[in-house]
Amino acid sequence: KQEVTQIPAALSVPEGENLVLNCSFTDSAIYNLQWFRQDPGKGLTSLLLIQSSQREQTSGRLNASLDKSSGRSTLYIAASQPGDSATYLCAVRVPDYKLSFGAGTTVTVRA
Amino acid sequence: DTGVSQDPRHKITKRGQNVTFRCDPISEHNRLYWYRQTLGQGPEFLTYFQNEAQLEKSRLLSDRFSAERPKGSFSTLEIQRTEQGDSAMYLCASSLALGSGQETQYFGPGTRLLVL
Repeated sequence: KQEVTQIPAALSVPEGENLVLNCSFTDSAIYNLQWFRQDPGKGLTSLLLIQSSQREQTSGRLNASLDKSSGRSTLYIAASQPGDSATYLCAVRVPDYKLSFGAGTTVTVRA
Repeated sequence: DTGVSQDPRHKITKRGQNVTFRCDPISEHNRLYWYRQTLGQGPEFLTYFQNEAQLEKSRLLSDRFSAERPKGSFSTLEIQRTEQGDSAMYLCASSLALGSGQETQYFGPGTRLLVL
């Protein structure tokens, strides 16, 4: 059974600081890994998807890396802003199509 | 807006009542997923459909839960004889199968259920 862990569970940083969010998974037989953002009481917004054959993906201030052999992914958010405050979830897709999620990292960016 | 929509957004019910949620996926998407999320946790997979066929159900989906996607378009999730432990956010997602690894799941806003 795929287990996904996100550390830390919560993070508070001053505006402008770079954010580093970690995700680890136990089974390296994944199709892809997705990072999502969730605002309080809302659904999930997909941020980045990394294929199993890729090492990283970038979108604007966001960069995600994937090391499948060690079961790790890292999401970097450069020059954080108060609007980046949210919960960030990583999810791995295994061959039976469903996503296995971590519990998330709740980020607070202080103005 | 052509994203995934869910109805209702919030539902409060008394223990023992039945509830039904609806999900309308992105129109050309052939896969539809249901997840459940409790406070402080990530979503957990419940079930998924490929067109109208329900292909997998999690062991979390007790016999009080039933899901349908009758014409391969919208889906309903029904919970019979609700229990307080059913209180959660129910999320629907849809995707278009493009081949291994290419699939991105798009999520709706969720239905928040509170069982009193």
